Amino acid sequence: SAVISQKPSRDICQRGTSLTIQCQVDSQVTMMFWYRQQPGQSLTLIATANQGSEATYESGFVIDKFPISRPNLTFSTLTVSNMSPEDSSIYLCSVEGGREANTDTQYFGPGTRLTVL
Amino acid sequence: GENVEQHPSTLSVQEGDSAVIKCTYSDSASNYFPWYKQELGKRPQLIIDIRSNVGEKKDQRIAVTLNKTAKHFSLHITETQPEDSAVYFCAPDSSYKLIFGSGTRLLVRP
Repeated sequence: SAVISQKPSRDICQRGTSLTIQCQVDSQVTMMFWYRQQPGQSLTLIATANQGSEATYESGFVIDKFPISRPNLTFSTLTVSNMSPEDSSIYLCSVEGGREANTDTQYFGPGTRLTVL
Repeated sequence: GENVEQHPSTLSVQEGDSAVIKCTYSDSASNYFPWYKQELGKRPQLIIDIRSNVGEKKDQRIAVTLNKTAKHFSLHITETQPEDSAVYFCAPDSSYKLIFGSGTRLLVRP
């Protein structure tokens, strides 16, 4: 499977500030996704990061709050803007369609643990 | 949109016993049915998946069965071991996305 890294692994931020999370893959992938996992909860899809076009956001998530970039087939960023304590969560990127023949399969990065004070 | 329900929410078994987790979904167009395992503080890891043209798939102690007519699929773990303790998520696809169930916390008692 693809090797996926995320930076930072964790951060503590003040409310009102913004944090950009990076996701890097060791091979070109067709699809990249961003998820949020609140403590003790399941994974919720924020958006699909499309290479060369705007991200596709899920219901309840908007571009102004979670701008996403995807400049190439191996890299994406998620920014959490104007943070509040409710944004404290783990943010995970996932990829699909790398070296694996089965392009449905998603593999996850290690996650970024964000705490907002 | 897809409605995914996972049961039970918690499951405690004795080491060596079997564990079964069930996932029901609503989208009849779903064709891909993975199970993920997430240990505390770790990322979700794919442990087994099945596609709609197959009814059952097995990988050592883990198996997945699919009933497309009834719209449910199940994870079966035999001869459970303490290292199987984790949260398990089903995530059927819908409109090219994975929709995660609420999770099952499995505890294997030594």
